[in-house]
Amino acid sequence: AQSVTQLDSQVPVFEEAPVELRCNYSSSVSVYLFWYVQYPNQGLQLLLKYLSGSTLVKGINGFEAEFNKSQTSFHLRKPSVHISDTAEYFCAVSWMDSSYKLIFGSGTRLLVRP
Amino acid sequence: GAGVSQSPSNKVTEKGKDVELRCDPISGHTALYWYRQSLGQGLEFLIYFQGNSAPDKSGLPSDRFSAERTGGSVSTLTIQRTQQEDSAVYLCASSSGGGLYNEQFFGPGTRLTVL
Repeated sequence: AQSVTQLDSQVPVFEEAPVELRCNYSSSVSVYLFWYVQYPNQGLQLLLKYLSGSTLVKGINGFEAEFNKSQTSFHLRKPSVHISDTAEYFCAVSWMDSSYKLIFGSGTRLLVRP
Repeated sequence: GAGVSQSPSNKVTEKGKDVELRCDPISGHTALYWYRQSLGQGLEFLIYFQGNSAPDKSGLPSDRFSAERTGGSVSTLTIQRTQQEDSAVYLCASSSGGGLYNEQFFGPGTRLTVL
């Protein structure tokens, strides 16, 4: 079955430190990859997406992610986090045979401390 | 408004009662999706609409769940004879088309609590 795994339920980090949020998925066959952010009491917002082309994708708010086909991963990174980055981050995958459907990971709560 | 709206924002109901959750998509968006976010879990796909038809209902967890969309706009998710395991946040999203190039825009969700 198609699945998305975010192993870290919570990642605490100090302000201005780098961060990586991990995402792995079950199959590398024709996938499309997304990261969404959910701020407290708000809806999901698209951070970035990989559809094709360069494996390094840049998104909003200084985030970037790299598609690694051999490792079936799409980890999210930011070189220096801010307090305002505190939120829940969801990795999502869409497979070509049902591209309208997003399969989400369980989410990672990023907690940025001063 | 410019975004996807959902109502009510919170719903508390007793086990066995029926509930209706409403979604107003972004104007002009032909595709609409329902997801469920249970405590400590990711979002779970429920159903996808293209226009008024639902080509994929595979995520609906049981026959107590149903959804409809009228006029290519508003959608209603109905849960009959609610159970405690139905407690979750129900999210609606819409997009300008049903393919991967069309970003899904999410509403704020309806938090359903079944006592």
